[in-house]
Amino acid sequence: NAGVMQNPRHLVRRRGQEARLRCSPMKGHSHVYWYRQLPEEGLKFMVYLQKENIIDESGMPKERFSAEFPKEGPSILRIQQVVRGDSAAYFCASSPRTSGVNTGELFFGEGSRLTVL
Amino acid sequence: QKEVEQNSGPLSVPEGAIASLNCTYSDRVSQSFFWYRQYSGKSPELIMSIYSNGDKEDGRFTAQLNKASQYVSLLIRDSQPSDSATYLCAVRSGGSNYKLTFGKGTLLTVNP
Repeated sequence: NAGVMQNPRHLVRRRGQEARLRCSPMKGHSHVYWYRQLPEEGLKFMVYLQKENIIDESGMPKERFSAEFPKEGPSILRIQQVVRGDSAAYFCASSPRTSGVNTGELFFGEGSRLTVL
Repeated sequence: QKEVEQNSGPLSVPEGAIASLNCTYSDRVSQSFFWYRQYSGKSPELIMSIYSNGDKEDGRFTAQLNKASQYVSLLIRDSQPSDSATYLCAVRSGGSNYKLTFGKGTLLTVNP
């Protein structure tokens, strides 16, 4: 499967626990984006990463949330001390490396659905 | 605040009819426009992209862009029950070469 791979698909956590969501981009893609989708809401941008660099984290809550995309391995979205309001679908998307105009086309993974009890 | 607005629906059309989905955006310098289809519980799937004024056709889908009026639409001809999904409009502003702003989506139901 050459698509964007996310795991786990479903994650249940109790309040105060940590959630780690993983994303492997499509083969040949070096740009990773995390979006959050709350019930009845649209997709909201969280963070944009390239290998070993956070390019834009303007959509990330200031506390408890962090993201990384190491040189080796998947991108990780980490949520510490989860609260019920963190319950959502978290989608990872990737796009190819571009030397010219970035068309902006994103390819999404199947998402990780976090439920906080 | 850059916004993308869509009628949440649901939009209900009979099988074989034309479904028309509309989207308006607030950022005048927006450059690229996308329609994604999202089935319930699934990931968004890119179905159309459009970058310049006018129409762009791909099979049963036609995207229409009018930058002066700041709207983009998606027409689905010969609608099929399998087209029933939420359609998300996404806009990339001129100020960013990567960030997409999504509307909340329009739920389309095609009735057999």
